[in-house]
Amino acid sequence: QVNLLQSGAALVKPGASVKLSCKASGYTFTDYYIHWVKQSHGKSLEWIGYINPNSGYTNYNEKFKSKATLTVDKSTNTAYMELSRLTSEDSATYYCTRIIRGTGFAYWGQGTLVTVSS
Amino acid sequence: DVVLTQTPVAQPVTLGDQASISCRSSQSLVHSNGNTYLEWYLQKPGQSPQLLIYKVSNRFSGVPDRFIGSGSGSDFTLKISRVEPEDLGVYYCFQATHDPYTFGAGTKLELK
Repeated sequence: QVNLLQSGAALVKPGASVKLSCKASGYTFTDYYIHWVKQSHGKSLEWIGYINPNSGYTNYNEKFKSKATLTVDKSTNTAYMELSRLTSEDSATYYCTRIIRGTGFAYWGQGTLVTVSS
Repeated sequence: DVVLTQTPVAQPVTLGDQASISCRSSQSLVHSNGNTYLEWYLQKPGQSPQLLIYKVSNRFSGVPDRFIGSGSGSDFTLKISRVEPEDLGVYYCFQATHDPYTFGAGTKLELK
């Protein structure tokens, strides 16, 4: 069965960077894009962008272009999102997710809580 | 960016009632390929969102038939007939027609 296992919660200082991971299993990793979604506490969801694990091609929401960097490691079936120059506005839960073709985001990771605090 | 406006913000219900959520888009969600990529997600407390409806009116695998999506163009509705306890949570509409993809602000389905 498809599973997306995300890294654990992170407490990071303002101005620092953090790299979140999303380990995929149960399917051929290179067959499906991995998308990332942000959810600030108690608020709605924002689409950050996606990466094509096969080619490394990325498509970012303009809002996150200077904040997030998406990469993959095909040898470990893991997608990464690095968030840079962190501020309190980046404190949120971040999800990785994957579609089933022709439908929507059918599979979601459990989310990673990032807290930015000194 | 496409703005999705959901109403109401909160919908108090009694179990067994019908609930209705509206999602209006700032522009048409009809893609150049003819599809309309409007989806509905439910997020239960402490959980990741789960897909309910895709392409306006198609129920995802395992979603009960009491969930009905409808609409066209820029005006969409999710109806839940006979609300059950497991239906409580926050509902989001989402569009994947226009880049960047966007979510609505959410509608909380809660008990009266």
